[in-house]
Amino acid sequence: DAGVTQSPTHLIKTRGQQVTLRCSPKSGHDTVSWYQQALGQGPQFIFQYYEEEERQRGNFPDRFSGHQFPNYSSELNVNALLLGDSALYLCASSLDERGIFYEQYFGPGTRLTVT
Amino acid sequence: SQQGEEDPQALSIQEGENATMNCSYKTSINNLQWYRQNSGRGLVHLILIRSNEREKHSGRLRVTLDTSKKSSSLLITASRAADTASYFCATDRGGNTGKLIFGQGTTLQVKP
Repeated sequence: DAGVTQSPTHLIKTRGQQVTLRCSPKSGHDTVSWYQQALGQGPQFIFQYYEEEERQRGNFPDRFSGHQFPNYSSELNVNALLLGDSALYLCASSLDERGIFYEQYFGPGTRLTVT
Repeated sequence: SQQGEEDPQALSIQEGENATMNCSYKTSINNLQWYRQNSGRGLVHLILIRSNEREKHSGRLRVTLDTSKKSSSLLITASRAADTASYFCATDRGGNTGKLIFGQGTTLQVKP
């Protein structure tokens, strides 16, 4: 049973460029959440997708957008990259079962460096 | 904004000793989770404790929750060098929707 997978592992981009990160949830999970983790900090919630819609969002600008596909996989897009966007981006999946929340399982992350 | 605050920020112990990490939070919660992270990689889920539970065990891990004090503790018994990692607590802030709010973590070093 594959866990949460993310691609790519590492990415280097230039300021002003756009980037797309990908995530495949754990088998049986239907909810995907994205987090940004700066060096030495705890992860910060970006947004969550359920049934192909953004269900809730953290305090991130509109430059951060996402998508969820019918197979529950998800993409995170960041436009007009800033140096401050350099971070580890983590995807987490979970199962939403009649409003009961279960554990979130995290992928290995994508390390984004903006130069 | 960070919901939880872990204490201490860093902890160094010898193999075989016990390690205790604490987490405090500010608002009411439905559940609290503890995660481990090795060298900036993905987070590994350790334990979820719900607001109506006071204590939970998993192998060498023991988690307690005191909702009146808005605090939790993670105890790792008989620590091993492989336990060296950063440990985070995360709360759902009462919404039970999976929007986790993390603290800044405790960095644990276990010396062989």
